Amino acid sequence: GAVVSQHPSRVICKSGTSVKIECRSLDFQATTMFWYRQFPKKSLMLMATSNEGSKATYEQGVEKDKFLINHASLTLSTLTVTSAHPEDSSFYICSAGLGDSPTYEQYFGPGTRLTVT
Amino acid sequence: DAKTTQPPSMDCAEGRAANLPCNHSTISGNEYVYWYRQIHSQGPQYIIHGLKNNETNEMASLIITEDRKSSTLILPHATLRDTAVYYCIVAAGNKLTFGGGTRVLVKP
Repeated sequence: GAVVSQHPSRVICKSGTSVKIECRSLDFQATTMFWYRQFPKKSLMLMATSNEGSKATYEQGVEKDKFLINHASLTLSTLTVTSAHPEDSSFYICSAGLGDSPTYEQYFGPGTRLTVT
Repeated sequence: DAKTTQPPSMDCAEGRAANLPCNHSTISGNEYVYWYRQIHSQGPQYIIHGLKNNETNEMASLIITEDRKSSTLILPHATLRDTAVYYCIVAAGNKLTFGGGTRVLVKP
């Protein structure tokens, strides 16, 4: 199946710093990528939808100035957590779509565990 | 998108079939039923999806009732590696809304 990678897999940063997470579709082109966050023992929450060459669409309650998303190419989307705080510590997961709606399959990256100290 | 209801957890025996139910009584005509699973500390994995006909692939079978208000995911021969949280999602487009899922524990 299609492969999506994320880098880094784990990152620890100090409060106030920014962290960039990369999401790549390795063997297919994805016009749309999605970013989720997941707290321990909770379900995934969609943060934003990233479209190549245009601005991301954020879900209600997600601060676009804090979570900067760039989708510069059909195989790469980045999420930057700016001025990170301990409450931003979470598991961040991206996905990329394969196929056309409505038979839309999403392939997920392995996730990035962010710890803010 | 329509909401789904799944049992929070279930156990099954290794080598036996695992039947995972999902209720989606408010599903719309253009919404598909998707199943994903998430093994601990990994990203979700696509399993199968369908509209109204039953579907089968190398991983599982999906049985959708005629009125489409519920479905069952069948893992034909559960292995220990099938231990995961299984999510049933209904969606018309590319936006997936994850509910609580069913935590499946396959026991030897």
